Amino acid sequence: GEDVEQSLFLSVREGDSSVINCTYTDSSSTYLYWYKQEPGAGLQLLTYIFSNMDMKQDQRLTVLLNKKDKHLSLRIADTQTGDSAIYFCAERERGSTLGRLYFGRGTQLTVWP
Amino acid sequence: DTAVSQTPKYLVTQMGNDKSIKCEQNLGHDTMYWYKQDSKKFLKIMFSYNNKELIINETVPNRFSPKSPDKAHLNLHINSLELGDSAVYFCASSHLASNEQFFGPGTRLTVL
Repeated sequence: GEDVEQSLFLSVREGDSSVINCTYTDSSSTYLYWYKQEPGAGLQLLTYIFSNMDMKQDQRLTVLLNKKDKHLSLRIADTQTGDSAIYFCAERERGSTLGRLYFGRGTQLTVWP
Repeated sequence: DTAVSQTPKYLVTQMGNDKSIKCEQNLGHDTMYWYKQDSKKFLKIMFSYNNKELIINETVPNRFSPKSPDKAHLNLHINSLELGDSAVYFCASSHLASNEQFFGPGTRLTVL
């Protein structure tokens, strides 16, 4: 199965940290991704993590992967109003040379000034 | 600009019509994709082409027919449009073995 689940909404105050969570069912996933979609725009790849890693940090973004619980999170430090968008978690199945990605339904992040 | 581009950005049409959406990428990628995003933001892959060959064909009505005239283009033709076809359609491209897919800005299709 390729079920990817995310909570639908998250609101934070500007300057706080945001944590967006995702769970997946395919234990053989090789790569897990976070995409950002701003209103009226396409998806922008933010970061991805290989399944043999626990953590990846990229400036204000920190990705944590708990393979045992099949749980992925994206932490945004010092959240800004420009971070308001929908964030999609996605997984790529093991052995998929076809590039097939399975997406969650997205988490709408709202940042209040 | 290097990018994935789609035309048109908006498409409003009547039920039963036939329409096409075009996608072009100038990133030199060998693989292109079509995704459908429904009103609840659920994003699901429809098709993928690698070097002009169909490699992914999810369960999609055969009213949808992708066409890849060359590696840089993947067009989506839809026959006999239905209300349920209303969605945002995203094109994407990548190198087949790459971990990164680059998405176009989307085409919002509204069927009346």
